[in-house]
Amino acid sequence: AQSVTQLDSQVPVFEEAPVELRCNYSSSVSVYLFWYVQYPNQGLQLLLKYLSGSTLVKGINGFEAEFNKSQTSFHLRKPSVHISDTAEYFCAVSDARSARQLTFGSGTQLTVLP
Amino acid sequence: NAGVTQTPKFQVLKTGQSMTLQCAQDMNHEYMSWYRQDPGMGLRLIHYSVGAGITDQGEVPNGYNVSRSTTEDFPLRLLSAAPSQTSVYFCASSPQGRGTQYFGPGTRLLVL
Repeated sequence: AQSVTQLDSQVPVFEEAPVELRCNYSSSVSVYLFWYVQYPNQGLQLLLKYLSGSTLVKGINGFEAEFNKSQTSFHLRKPSVHISDTAEYFCAVSDARSARQLTFGSGTQLTVLP
Repeated sequence: NAGVTQTPKFQVLKTGQSMTLQCAQDMNHEYMSWYRQDPGMGLRLIHYSVGAGITDQGEVPNGYNVSRSTTEDFPLRLLSAAPSQTSVYFCASSPQGRGTQYFGPGTRLLVL
């Protein structure tokens, strides 16, 4: 079984500042890792994913994440945020063997301030 | 191509009532799943299906029932609604073995 910990439930940041949203996972097997974004009153949209290969993954809207196997982390970063990035962000993990069930973290609310 | 669709968008039930949340996808995905989202808890898996005729339980299956008679549809049934089932419900689908799941817009359920 896998588990995911998102260390910050809320992250306020000023517009054009950099941001990092932290995610740590636990698993006894190889994993796939995902970041999803949820805008208010909407479903979840995939930001980026790590399946294999390069540990630095680039996603949509200027976000990127780095897979660190030794630290069991998959932190999400953006060098300069916009007001429109205000949303809730979820880190998720799945077993790489079956790639079926997703286990989600509890979410991080990113609020970008003017 | 509508992706994943869910109906209804909102529903209010009284304790003890039953209802079915509908989910359909037009991407010919084999894998479909239902999650519930509660504040501070992320999304938790209720039931999932790896193909027509095959379903299995997730993390929080109690009080819910599913069936998968076609590839496209995966309805979720609440047998006897309880206030603890007040939540936002998301349906998702994915092609087999690649992990990326595509989510519907959600159904907001209030049980009084």
